[in-house]
Amino acid sequence: DAKTTQPPSMDCAEGRAANLPCNHSTISGNEYVYWYRQIHSQGPQYIIHGLKNNETNEMASLIITEDRKSSTLILPHATLRDTAVYYCIVVSGANSKLTFGKGITLSVRP
Amino acid sequence: ETGVTQTPRHLVMGMTNKKSLKCEQHLGHNAMYWYKQSAKKPLELMFVYNFKEQTENNSVPSRFSPECPNSSHLFLHLHTLQPEDSALYLCASSQDGQGPKNIQYFGAGTRLSVL
Repeated sequence: DAKTTQPPSMDCAEGRAANLPCNHSTISGNEYVYWYRQIHSQGPQYIIHGLKNNETNEMASLIITEDRKSSTLILPHATLRDTAVYYCIVVSGANSKLTFGKGITLSVRP
Repeated sequence: ETGVTQTPRHLVMGMTNKKSLKCEQHLGHNAMYWYKQSAKKPLELMFVYNFKEQTENNSVPSRFSPECPNSSHLFLHLHTLQPEDSALYLCASSQDGQGPKNIQYFGAGTRLSVL
């Protein structure tokens, strides 16, 4: 599976949009980009996934570049409860195995 | 509530004890997973079961013994653990283990301390 690279941390103000970047330059054509998050001492929570088109759901939007080498997760109006570690994961087309990295720690400040 | 329930939430055991972790999912899924999350380390996949058959063992020591009696239940039997096995153990389930569109739903985990 392709590896992903995320900055270790970022912060944003409550009520503002949080834009979380991810690089996956070695992604192949049948690999999906998934985002999960893990709030402290809880299990990871699925947020969104996409193949090549941009996706939006009630939690977030996922913007994938045309060459698919990077993506951005957007939380449109961050709240304090969005403080968590966010994982960008590339999933093979052959199975649903998740390989977690260190993720990016998002801190939302009041 | 994710539909995946893990018990107990916390467990303290000695190195000579035998204990079991339980996971139950109410989502009608056919694949179940065990992950380990040690302090300051990424989640590591331990085992995968698909339709009750073990399809992946990620070089896990034999002191960890999984059991999947049916698609809704998954156990992790523990014996003669070491202090370095102290970690958060997470269970997950997905529709099945095939293809990239299977979203995994995680339980809240069991926080294990080995003394």
